[in-house]
Formats: sequence, structure tokens, C-alpha cells
Amino acid sequence: DAGITQSPRHKVTETGTPVTLRCHQTENHRYMYWYRQDPGHGLRLIHYSYGVKDTDKGEVSDGYSVSRSKTEDFLLTLESATSSQTSVYFCAIKAAQGTNEKLFFGSGTQLSVL
Amino acid sequence: GNSVTQMEGPVTLSEEAFLTINCTYTATGYPSLFWYVQYPGEGLQLLLKATKADDKGSNKGFEATYRKETTSFHLEKGSVQVSDSAVYFCALSLAGGSYIPTFGRGTSLIVHP
Repeated sequence: DAGITQSPRHKVTETGTPVTLRCHQTENHRYMYWYRQDPGHGLRLIHYSYGVKDTDKGEVSDGYSVSRSKTEDFLLTLESATSSQTSVYFCAIKAAQGTNEKLFFGSGTQLSVL
Repeated sequence: GNSVTQMEGPVTLSEEAFLTINCTYTATGYPSLFWYVQYPGEGLQLLLKATKADDKGSNKGFEATYRKETTSFHLEKGSVQVSDSAVYFCALSLAGGSYIPTFGRGTSLIVHP
């Protein structure tokens, strides 16, 4: 699993509240990603990071912000949660040995916004 | 831009049947191609990959061949098992710059005993 931990695993919150999801890695990888998974849409990139304090937007970044103040942690914040943000959120890291690159995914966070 | 198109599911098969899940892609460069699998309640994990034309990736009885002329990377397995029931994602990545893989929408496979 490349040492990826997501927390919390499950979260229920109310519309309008801020929510922060955490992704923690133990292997010092440079690239980290946040995806959301929804029926009919597959996997969509929210934000990604290519180093400490280096982040960029993905295809569905509206309503989300991220921070990476240290290599091992990548935080995803829903500034004011909406029902459309009910989803399963996955963190991933890119691991590479030479040209053998691949993504490792966390176990996901099921978020329900009521 | 880059995109991956997979056949829509669910695909429902009986145990020991032959499996094909179609995947085609468009890319602005020369991509590496991947199949990821997601078992119920888990994150995605890499199943197989191919990095150049005519390469065949294989793992756990699954195979896929990188076909540049048809821009395809179809997943096949000769005899599926109930334990293969999962969602399968085709993906591509391009070398250079930021590493941003592009995923298909996923295809659900249901295998009945």
C-alpha cells in the first residue's frame, strides 16, 4: 500500500460546514493527488501536489482547497460543504523506480453531506 | 487533450467465461497505458501496464496489448472467477512535466458462480 493512510474513513457532516480530509504517506514521495469517485463519472482529479507548498488544480477543483506544508501530509478542505460533494475521496501517490511509474491509492474516505 | 474511453458496464459473466473489456484512448503524445482494479470497499491498485506499442502487460491471468494503430488497450482474461468481480479502470500517462494520469470511467465486472 506504499504507506498511505487516509483519515477519517467515514464522515457525515452538514451543509455549510468546513471539512478537512487528511492523506498521510510514510515514504517521502513527491507527487500526491486527491480524486473523487462518483457513479457514472469514474475517478476525477480534484487537486494534486508535486512538492511541499507546490499544488495545482485538477478538473473538479471548485469548492476545494489543499495544503501541503510537509512532504508526508496532503490535506483536502471543503470550505463550505454542499450535498454535491457527497462522494468517496481517494488520495494517491506516485511511486517510481526508474521509468516504472504507478499510482498507489489509499483506502478512501466516504463523505456524506446532509 | 488526453482521454480514455471504456465500455460501459456492468459486464456480467458466469465463472470460467472469457472476458474482454474495451479501452481506447486519445493522447497528445506517446502514453504509457495501465489497467487498475478496484475491489469492493478498497482503493484502486495497479493490475498491469504497457509502455510502448505492441507491449503486452499481464498479471493474475489478465492481459492487455498496447495497439498504437487502433489506439486501444483492451483487457482480456480467458477464464474469470468470482473473485475477479471488481471495477476495472483503464488509464494513460504521458512522460515529462507534471505526472497527471487520465482515467476512464471504469467498468464494473460481476462474475456469477
